[in-house]
Amino acid sequence: EVHLVESGGGLVKPGGSLRLSCTASGFTFSDYPMNWVRRAPGRGLECVSSINHDSSRIYYADSVKGRFTIFRDDAKSSLFLQMNNLRADDTAVYYCARDINYNVDHWGQGTLVTVSS
Amino acid sequence: QTVVTQEPSLTVSPGGTVTLTCASSTGAVTSGFYPSWFQQKPGQAPRPLIYATTNKHSWTPARFSGSLLGGKAALTLSGVQPEDEADYFCLVHYGGNWVFGGGTALTVL
Repeated sequence: EVHLVESGGGLVKPGGSLRLSCTASGFTFSDYPMNWVRRAPGRGLECVSSINHDSSRIYYADSVKGRFTIFRDDAKSSLFLQMNNLRADDTAVYYCARDINYNVDHWGQGTLVTVSS
Repeated sequence: QTVVTQEPSLTVSPGGTVTLTCASSTGAVTSGFYPSWFQQKPGQAPRPLIYATTNKHSWTPARFSGSLLGGKAALTLSGVQPEDEADYFCLVHYGGNWVFGGGTALTVL
């Protein structure tokens, strides 16, 4: 059974940093592109960052470009999101999600990031 | 910047039928954009319902169906159940990048 478990969220001050992790199980992690998607309070879903299976293609939303870095460790079946210079509008639940061939079929349960002084 | 637009809110009676749509600022949504649909309830992760326009996941109830309608992607719920009250998001793929619609809050009343 496919499982994606996020961790690393929490309360951080504006300008601070956090590293989110997503640990995968139940499938061959290295075969799949992976994604970070967030939902801010009162807003819709936003794809923050994506990485393909071999890390050769990476996408960032304009809202996080230059501040967030996505990377993966296939040996540990893990996906990461390094978030620097956090702002209040980064407050959201962050989900990792896997996709292949335009089929986004599994999501983690999410981890809450709160940016507040 | 591509914008994907959904109805902000819809209301349907139990047992009724409702169609949610997903429009693109760049023009018609076609199967080549591989539109997907997700359901999200408060405190839960998004639940995939439809991918590549019409395809259901193994867990997708039969009352949910996806299609293209008048240049938009569409999600139709037939025989709506009270538990279908939720937010629904479409996702459109543009050259490998994802753009979500703003979501539709569906009320079953």
